[in-house]
Amino acid sequence: EPEVTQTPSHQVTQMGQEVILRCVPISNHLYFYWYRQILGQKVEFLVSFYNNEISEKSEIFDDQFSVERPDGSNFTLKIRSTKLEDSAMYFCASKTGGQPQHFGDGTRLSIL
Amino acid sequence: GQQLNQSPQSMFIQEGEDVSMNCTSSSIFNTWLWYKQDPGEGPVLLIALYKAGELTSNGRLTAQFGITRKDSFLNISASIPSDVGIYFCAGQLNDYKLSFGAGTTVTVRA
Repeated sequence: EPEVTQTPSHQVTQMGQEVILRCVPISNHLYFYWYRQILGQKVEFLVSFYNNEISEKSEIFDDQFSVERPDGSNFTLKIRSTKLEDSAMYFCASKTGGQPQHFGDGTRLSIL
Repeated sequence: GQQLNQSPQSMFIQEGEDVSMNCTSSSIFNTWLWYKQDPGEGPVLLIALYKAGELTSNGRLTAQFGITRKDSFLNISASIPSDVGIYFCAGQLNDYKLSFGAGTTVTVRA
């Protein structure tokens, strides 16, 4: 069964550094998403991307965050200058219209 | 934004028992979804509900989309050890965003 893949599985970064989290959505999907989950808390929506543009974003997704679909297969989340509170699991998800979202296994981001 | 209240927060159950959990929302959704998350993994879809009043089963799992569109429940029948994990409800109004509940942690006593 096709799945969403995320790399790396664990990223350790110094505070203030830029980080890029990578996702390969399921190949025929058109909607792409990033969520985060702080340890022990619920999954929180960050941003959705459709038709090559951001369709919705949360208040968490400030100007330190950006997303890109650089080619036909990858979907990336960039954090420009990381803060300690950015430490979390980051999940990518994708779907087709009218169908449920499918999630990757996440990238654990640790900010030192 | 939409607030989802999921209960119970956690439960210890005996193997073979039935489990029930529910979610209520401050506003309506067009789709309710139930996911399970195992340690170190992403949420895995269990059941999707698309119509108010809909009752759907997936093996030992049964879920219902509340008639008011503001609530949903999930039942697990005859629990087994591999049912351990965190169960999340999620509501969807459009194609662009899922709102998640805080999760129900299920621990099964063998």
